[in-house]
Amino acid sequence: EAQVTQNPRYLITVTGKKLTVTCSQNMNHEYMSWYRQDPGLGLRQIYYSMNVEVTDKGDVPEGYKVSRKEKRNFPLILESPSPNQTSLYFCASSSFLGNEQFFGPGTRLTVL
Amino acid sequence: AQTVTQSQPEMSVQEAETVTLSCTYDTSESNYYLFWYKQPPSRQMILVIRQEAYKQQNATENRFSVNFQKAAKSFSLKISDSQLGDTAMYFCAFMKRELGFQKLVFGTGTRLLVSP
Repeated sequence: EAQVTQNPRYLITVTGKKLTVTCSQNMNHEYMSWYRQDPGLGLRQIYYSMNVEVTDKGDVPEGYKVSRKEKRNFPLILESPSPNQTSLYFCASSSFLGNEQFFGPGTRLTVL
Repeated sequence: AQTVTQSQPEMSVQEAETVTLSCTYDTSESNYYLFWYKQPPSRQMILVIRQEAYKQQNATENRFSVNFQKAAKSFSLKISDSQLGDTAMYFCAFMKRELGFQKLVFGTGTRLLVSP
């Protein structure tokens, strides 16, 4: 089954404790992206990657890192999480020629 | 930069009735896509309908249809014969048509409640 998976689905952590949210897709997509969703703000892009080893900032990159060492994986790293990063996070992927992004199930992150 | 505006934070409709959700956008691009996504309580993002800007014909998917007014930069979603399962948050989104670059710009969402 074609899908985007994210882990963990739920995470409660404390300020400053490094964490990684994994994202994996099995559709051989070139483009992958991370969004965060906050009430009243919709979804905003954090980082994106157009292919292996090619990443760039989105609209709200502060406090986040990403890497794209393999085509299928695009982890989101929070090196020193803060409470303002409490949010719902989505990973998405699409093919180079595509016109639709496929979303993962979301990760609910709470930073205390 | 592109912006997407959804001016209705919440709407309600009774089962079997028709409801229209509004969306306006601002862009200087001439070639782009517009989308409506549904987010039910499960939080999954589900693509409802897609419109390509160069196509004049309004997109339709079963009970869902859009009214795309390119000159007015308006992209409303009509849901006919509303069902309880349509209760969800609905997001309007814009994507520039550029090979390999597929950033979605979202509106703030409209929460739709369908009641019996």
